[in-house]
Amino acid sequence: SQQGEEDPQALSIQEGENATMNCSYKTSINNLQWYRQNSGRGLVHLILIRSNEREKHSGRLRVTLDTSKKSSSLLITASRAADTASYFCATSYNTNAGKSTFGDGTTLTVKP
Amino acid sequence: EAEVAQSPRYKITEKSQAVAFWCDPISGHATLYWYRQILGQGPELLVQFQDESVVDDSQLPKDRFSAERLKGVDSTLKIQPAELGDSAMYLCASSPRQGSSYEQYFGPGTRLTVT
Repeated sequence: SQQGEEDPQALSIQEGENATMNCSYKTSINNLQWYRQNSGRGLVHLILIRSNEREKHSGRLRVTLDTSKKSSSLLITASRAADTASYFCATSYNTNAGKSTFGDGTTLTVKP
Repeated sequence: EAEVAQSPRYKITEKSQAVAFWCDPISGHATLYWYRQILGQGPELLVQFQDESVVDDSQLPKDRFSAERLKGVDSTLKIQPAELGDSAMYLCASSPRQGSSYEQYFGPGTRLTVT
């Protein structure tokens, strides 16, 4: 499979702590996107990072991309109970026409 | 704020019955996706439309699944006959244009249970 794989599968932290989740992939990519999914709902786009970018920020979110290691990380700083959700990376490869392949996600629980 | 609409939100059906899901993308979005998400897994692309044309249906089980987007706007995904293994969340998403650089906007999904 060419999909990204998230690590860890599950993460539990206290409110105010930082949460880091990782995504690894196997072949060269065009870009990588992170999505959030609250329980039983649709996915919400968080950040897109292109293959020629190394780091992007959006509010409390920081995404890094290391193409030499074929990996990306999502850092959520000062986590809140509302950040409790599943987080998915979606990778897009050079040969496809808009298709993004999703990993199986990291389930984050933030305890108040 | 514009949203992707899906109906029904929940559907329970018996195996061998037919079932259909409807999706209305954000107005003006040319690209529409149908995904299947099994509990505990990520979404798996079933079919991608660009306007009314199918761009990718390589993972669509064509012996039982069909999808159409006749006027390039809303779309219907059908399963006939349904099997127990089809129990999953069916997600619809849209994006302004074809291309992986565009974020996808997801609807709330249809939770299908086949008994």
